[in-house]
This record gives sequence, structure tokens and C-alpha cells, in this order.
Amino acid sequence: AQRVTQPEKLLSVFKGAPVELKCNYSYSGSPELFWYVQYSRQRLQLLLRHISRESIKGFTADLNKGETSFHLKKPFAQEEDSAMYYCALNSGTYKYIFGTGTRLKVLA
Amino acid sequence: EAQVTQNPRYLITVTGKKLTVTCSQNMNHEYMSWYRQDPGLGLRQIYYSMNVEVTDKGDVPEGYKVSRKEKRNFPLILESPSPNQTSLYFCASRSRGLGTEAFFGQGTRLTVV
Repeated sequence: AQRVTQPEKLLSVFKGAPVELKCNYSYSGSPELFWYVQYSRQRLQLLLRHISRESIKGFTADLNKGETSFHLKKPFAQEEDSAMYYCALNSGTYKYIFGTGTRLKVLA
Repeated sequence: EAQVTQNPRYLITVTGKKLTVTCSQNMNHEYMSWYRQDPGLGLRQIYYSMNVEVTDKGDVPEGYKVSRKEKRNFPLILESPSPNQTSLYFCASRSRGLGTEAFFGQGTRLTVV
């Protein structure tokens, strides 16, 4: 079955510390993977996608097919990074599967 | 401005009273979806539509209906709302194809008492 797992519901780090939000997926084909972010009281928006291999707001994510993971990383967390983060998988043309989300809290 | 618009943003209703949440997008996207967001459960897809007059069930379709008569609109209908449908609802749209970005509405917070 297709599945996206985000094992941490809440992750608290201090400002300036490194951040890693974990995402594992289960899919037999070649998935398209994304990270979406939801800041307080705002709509979800795309943060980055693996096919772009870009860095957005200092965040990067590398697809590891061997470990079926797509962890989100940032070397130095900032207070404005506090938000809800969702990992998502696009399998086939219409199916988008989201993980349960990780709330990141960056402490001053 | 490219966007997905949902209305209303907040709604409190009573059990059994039919309601409709509207969703409209101005990006000419083929795909549209409805999700509900619940604490600890993340986003779960209710229904999706691949184009006009083409809709299908997502993971949690019970108690919901949708229609897609026009490309830009994808209303969510609760014929007889129940308290377990109290949730935050999001509409999303994206263009056809694998790996396209989903654009989300602002959300509708529904409370059924």
C-alpha cells in the first residue's frame, strides 16, 4: 500500500540548531515527493519538490530510494521556520498522499 | 492573482442541516480535490476530480458529495452533517500530470453541533 510516514508529531529545536524532519514512504514505483508547509493560520503551500533539487528558505531534501526516505533538513533553524510540515507523495497522475505532519517549534 | 478560494471560512451548523462549501480556482487546473485535516491524522483526501463531470472517491468519502459541472468550481456537499464531520477542510487544485504543485484554498473550519 502507498503510504507516507512522518514519525514525529512535534519537533522542538533551539534557534541556530540543525533541523531534520523525517519522512519515509512506501511505494513500489518511482514517486514524486514534496514538502508542504503550513504557517499559523495560513494555507498549505509548496516548500520544495525532489525533482527540482533546489533549496528553499535554506531547506533541502534528498530522495533516498534505498531507504525510501525524503527527509527535510536545514543547518540552522530560525524562529520563522516554526510551522506544520507535511511530506507528500504523488503516485500516478491524480493521487496525492500526505503524511500526518510534523509541527516544528523553533525556540528562541 | 492565481488562487483557490473557499467559502465560507468558518461555519457552525446543526446535525442534519444540509450545507455546501464552495471552492473555485482561476488557474484552469484539471485536477481538484477536497481534504479534511484532523489533529494527528494529517490531511485525508475526501473526493477528487480529474476534469469536468469526472469525480471519484478518496480515502474518506462517507457523508460527502461533490460535483464538477464547471472546470473552475468544485463544491463539497454535506447532505446530513454529523458531529464527526467537524474538521478543517481544504480544497486544492493542480494541473494535469505527475509531480505538479497543488495549490490550496484558505481552509473552511466546520463545526457540527
